[in-house]
Amino acid sequence: AQSVTQLDSQVPVFEEAPVELRCNYSSSVSVYLFWYVQYPNQGLQLLLKYLSGSTLVKGINGFEAEFNKSQTSFHLRKPSVHISDTAEYFCAVVGGGSYIPTFGRGTSLIVHP
Amino acid sequence: GAGVSQSPSNKVTEKGKDVELRCDPISGHTALYWYRQSLGQGLEFLIYFQGNSAPDKSGLPSDRFSAERTGGSVSTLTIQRTQQEDSAVYLCASSFLSRSSDTQYFGPGTRLTVL
Repeated sequence: AQSVTQLDSQVPVFEEAPVELRCNYSSSVSVYLFWYVQYPNQGLQLLLKYLSGSTLVKGINGFEAEFNKSQTSFHLRKPSVHISDTAEYFCAVVGGGSYIPTFGRGTSLIVHP
Repeated sequence: GAGVSQSPSNKVTEKGKDVELRCDPISGHTALYWYRQSLGQGLEFLIYFQGNSAPDKSGLPSDRFSAERTGGSVSTLTIQRTQQEDSAVYLCASSFLSRSSDTQYFGPGTRLTVL
């Protein structure tokens, strides 16, 4: 079985400040990891994903994430946020031959001017 | 190109009524997923279709929930005898194949309110 924990339900931050959204997973097998973003009243869209290779993954809108196998983490970072980054962010894991991702509960990023 | 579309965008119904939610996946995508998103609960997997294979219904919460996918394209999620706890946003997603590494493309969702 696999599970995902997003440690923060809400992260407030000021514009142009750096941000880190935390994600930890548990799985007994190799996994693929994803971050999706959901803007208000929209569906989810992919920010980035880790499949293999380099543990630092770069995505859209200046976001990046680092896969840490020993700590079973896949934290999302951005060095300088914009107001437009205000959204819900979901971490997801797929592994063990399953085609069905397990999603975390989401982290609401709130960027203040 | 066109993304995943869902209809209606909003549905208000009375307890005990049946509802049908529709999903049009991206053309050529073989895999289709339904999820339920409740406030603060993340995404709950409901059902998965892959090509002509039997669907994976392991996430359906009760036998009041069912889904079909016709012609490998459009899908309909049906909830019979709706209950207030069914109120949520229902999201549909599709992917080109059904590999674990595939990106899922989501529709905007249907917000269901059961009074």
